[in-house]
Parts: sequence; structure tokens; C-alpha cells
Amino acid sequence: RKEVEQDPGPFNVPEGATVAFNCTYSNSASQSFFWYRQDCRKEPKLLMSVYSSGNEDGRFTAQLNRASQYISLLIRDSKLSDSATYLCVVMGGGSNYKLTFGKGTLLTVNP
Amino acid sequence: DGGITQSPKYLFRKEGQNVTLSCEQNLNHDAMYWYRQDPGQGLRLIYYSQIVNDFQKGDIAEGYSVSREKKESFPLTVTSAQKNPTAFYLCASRSPQVEAFFGQGTRLTVV
Repeated sequence: RKEVEQDPGPFNVPEGATVAFNCTYSNSASQSFFWYRQDCRKEPKLLMSVYSSGNEDGRFTAQLNRASQYISLLIRDSKLSDSATYLCVVMGGGSNYKLTFGKGTLLTVNP
Repeated sequence: DGGITQSPKYLFRKEGQNVTLSCEQNLNHDAMYWYRQDPGQGLRLIYYSQIVNDFQKGDIAEGYSVSREKKESFPLTVTSAQKNPTAFYLCASRSPQVEAFFGQGTRLTVV
């Protein structure tokens, strides 16, 4: 099983749609989880950290399910500017700083 | 301004040459990382370092070497043993409780 597996996509949605990204991880000791956004030919940038209790930032909601080793990102009322690749990131547990990325899911929001 | 700087932005290498990619950060971060990204693919971990004078192999370390003599610097050498080095190389840094920040990347092309 891969360390981090992500929905392959791509997703094409109309403006205003709700879209969900899912990611599973294999190491139950993993401590920290993130969603990054990457625009074409640019470096990834942090979108959200993912907390055990779930967290929301405007139109974006991140969830963590430790029992199922699963994280998710929900985008509501999608905008054209949300078009990008979304990457889930998992950090190893304890003193292990290893950061592992999923392969990313390309989202295209259409007018 | 605090940040992480990669240089050069574009690099061309002849077959059989070693080349070194620079990564410098002034964020006082403990951990630094090197990733490789191929077109349409996610980020794959080459090497990471949690502390000065220590580094760990990632998932695709063969054909690469690193050093961590200073906290601020984590150069990556792409050796002639790396058979398919053309890719986008990303350096990142982070400290505990802080997300990873990325440099703008180096595009390496073998000519």
C-alpha cells in the first residue's frame, strides 16, 4: 500500500459546484496533515492544515478520520480561481519529519 | 524578507555531468527537503534533513547526494548516475508546528 493515496481525478466542475477530494495514508503513527494547492509550473503553497476536530476556512473544509486513516477537503461554491492541483500531505509521527505527498488531483472549474 | 531561495531557476546539464542545485532558507527552520516532480505527477521525496550534519534518504535517492553543513543550506547534487534527471526540483523547509514552505523550484534539463 502506498504511503499516501489520493483520488486521481481530474475533476471538471461548473462554477458554484461543491467538490470533494479524498486521501488515505498508511502510517497510523502519522501526526500532521495538510492540503496544499499547486498552480501550473509553480511551487505548492499551503491551503490548510488538517486538525482532528476538522476545520473550516471560508469555502474550504478539511476533515481527518484517524480511525480510517483518511483526510478530505471540501470546496463549496467553487470559483474559476480554484482551478489548480490539490495535494494532500502527511508527516510521519514522533520525531520523524518525513513529509509525503499524494500525487495530486487536478481541478478545473468551468464558467 | 524571510523565505526559501532556490537557484538557478533553469539549469541545463550535459550527459555525464554532475550538477548542484542550491537551496537556502532564512526562516530558522530545522528540517529541509528535496522533491522531484515530473510532468503531471506528484512530488517524490529525494532526501530530507531534520538537523545539521544529518540527512535521510527519501523514496528516490539513487543518483542524488546532499549535504547539510549549515542550518540554512541544503544543496542537492544530481550525479551522472541519475539516468533520467530532467524534472522540476523543489526544496522545502519547516519546523515543528509549522507548515512546509517551498522555494520556487529549479527546472533541470539534460541536453
